[in-house]
Formats: sequence, C-alpha cells, structure tokens
Amino acid sequence: EPEVTQTPSHQVTQMGQEVILRCVPISNHLYFYWYRQILGQKVEFLVSFYNNEISEKSEIFDDQFSVERPDGSNFTLKIRSTKLEDSAMYFCASSEGQEVDYGYTFGSGTRLTVV
Amino acid sequence: KNQVEQSPQSLIILEGKNCTLQCNYTVSPFSNLRWYKQDTGRGPVSLTIMTFSENTKSNGRYTATLDADTKQSSLHITASQLSDSASYICVVQSSGTYKYIFGTGTRLKVLA
Repeated sequence: EPEVTQTPSHQVTQMGQEVILRCVPISNHLYFYWYRQILGQKVEFLVSFYNNEISEKSEIFDDQFSVERPDGSNFTLKIRSTKLEDSAMYFCASSEGQEVDYGYTFGSGTRLTVV
Repeated sequence: KNQVEQSPQSLIILEGKNCTLQCNYTVSPFSNLRWYKQDTGRGPVSLTIMTFSENTKSNGRYTATLDADTKQSSLHITASQLSDSASYICVVQSSGTYKYIFGTGTRLKVLA
C-alpha cells in the first residue's frame, strides 16, 4: 500500500537553529499538508499546499515557518529559528483530491526536540 | 469556536469486550466526520468517514454513528483485540476549508 514517508524520524536541534523536515507524499496525490502534535495535546493543522502554493494556513504557521515542494516529489517544512515550544511531532499528509472520499494519508511523523 | 471534544479520555477493557467512544463537535458549517486510529509514535490511520446524510458507517469491527442534529458521533468497537490498543481520534472537517479539526482522542487499552 502506498505510504507517505517522513525523514528523519527524530531530530534534535538547538534553539535558534533552522530545521527542515522532509516528506515524500504518495506519488499521484496533489494536496499536501503539515500538522503538528505537541506531546499530550491534540493534532493541530499547520498548512495545506496545492498547485505549488499555500492554500490555507493556521495562526500557528507564522513567518518562522515555510513550505516548499522543491523537486516534484519532496514536500518540506522549514522552521527558520526554532523555539522550545516548537518541540512536537510533525505529521505530513497527502490526498488525491479534496472531495470527502479522498481522505488524507498521514506519514509516521518526525519528532522534533528543541533544546 | 470550532471544537471537537471526546470522552472518555482513556478506557481499559478486557479482550473480547465491546466499547463505545463518544465525540461531540461544534464545527460549523459541517462537511464530514472521520474516526482515526493512532498507534503510539505513528501517524493517524482512517477508520471511517461520514457526511451529513450518513448516520452509520461500518469498517469491520468498527461502527461509527453520526447525529448531525445533536452534533454527536460514536465509535463502537466489537469483540476487542489486543491490537486495538491505541488512541482513537474524532476529526471534523468544515465546509470550504482544507483543514481537519482533531479531537483530543480516547486512549484505549485492551488487556488480555
């Protein structure tokens, strides 16, 4: 079964450093998403991406965050200057379409720890 | 504010027993409601999807119900197995938006 692949599975970074989280969505999917889950809390929407541009973003997704699809297969989330409160599990997801029947497929996540 | 609340927070049952998890939402306008299973350290996996017009949807031992009038949903698990131990998350999508709104989940533990 096709999978969304995320790398690395765990990343530790120092506060103030830039990090890039990588995702390879399912190949025929057109819509891409990033969500995050702070330990013990609910999963929160960050951003959706379609046709090489952001289609929707949450209040969490401020100027510190950016997304990119650099080469037609990877989908990346960059955090410019990490803060302690950015520590969370970051999930990438993709979907074939926007209709209800097209659910998301989530990756296994990248656990980001900011120290 | 669009919110999804779930109960109970956690639940322990014996293998072979049934259980029902609850979800209440205030998301409007409503598009669809999904139940996900999330194993520890893994991404959520979809179990069921229901739109406004559907009030029951089954997927094997999982049966979800939806009452769009009262904005409530339930997930019933029949003949539980040890592998059912996971978090079960209710997720609601509003019309005209890409994003999913997640509940806090119910952590289910099935004991032998």
